[in-house]
Amino acid sequence: DTGVSQDPRHKITKRGQNVTFRCDPISEHNRLYWYRQTLGQGPEFLTYFQNEAQLEKSRLLSDRFSAERPKGSFSTLEIQRTEQGDSAMYLCASSLKGADTNEQFFGPGTRLTVL
Amino acid sequence: AQSVTQPDIHITVSEGASLELRCNYSYGATPYLFWYVQSPGQGLQLLLKYFSGDTLVQGIKGFEAEFKRSQSSFNLRKPSVHWSDAAEYFCAVGGSLTGGGNKLTFGTGTQLKVEL
Repeated sequence: DTGVSQDPRHKITKRGQNVTFRCDPISEHNRLYWYRQTLGQGPEFLTYFQNEAQLEKSRLLSDRFSAERPKGSFSTLEIQRTEQGDSAMYLCASSLKGADTNEQFFGPGTRLTVL
Repeated sequence: AQSVTQPDIHITVSEGASLELRCNYSYGATPYLFWYVQSPGQGLQLLLKYFSGDTLVQGIKGFEAEFKRSQSSFNLRKPSVHWSDAAEYFCAVGGSLTGGGNKLTFGTGTQLKVEL
């Protein structure tokens, strides 16, 4: 068990550029979540996949954001036309359907800075 | 809508002293409750969780928490704090999602400083 990994760990971009983040969950986990954490706040839920199906999206996920999990394994989160307000830590978590604790295991996050 | 309040933004304790971090939640049904710890540059690590049963739950690193339904609270405690406990602590409540997933709603966190 190598844990949840995220790439890149840091990303600096200019306003208006597109960025893409990757999350690799724990291998047998079929549920995958994205959260966003801004300075001084707790993480906020963005979206959730069960296998390859995106089942829930938060209202925080504007139409500039898109997430995919094409084969039910890794996931990508893309932000188009980035804005300074998108600067945050983007966290990925995974869990195993059927586990009675439904515990989510978090990755180290991708810190995005939009200049 | 579910919500979590952590009233203390910063707490400073001396090493060896006892610790209590407060958490109040709002949720319509029986909640799933969690405490996570986040150290700089690290992801969130689960300390403990409450789903049902015994209202006093034990976690890792010597932490415990007590669920009090009447007070809508889930306070985190540790009898003797170590310098390595300095970190940010988040309380979270879990809500059901389509397909059985679990959406976590976090509080704003409590930053713990430990004085040697």
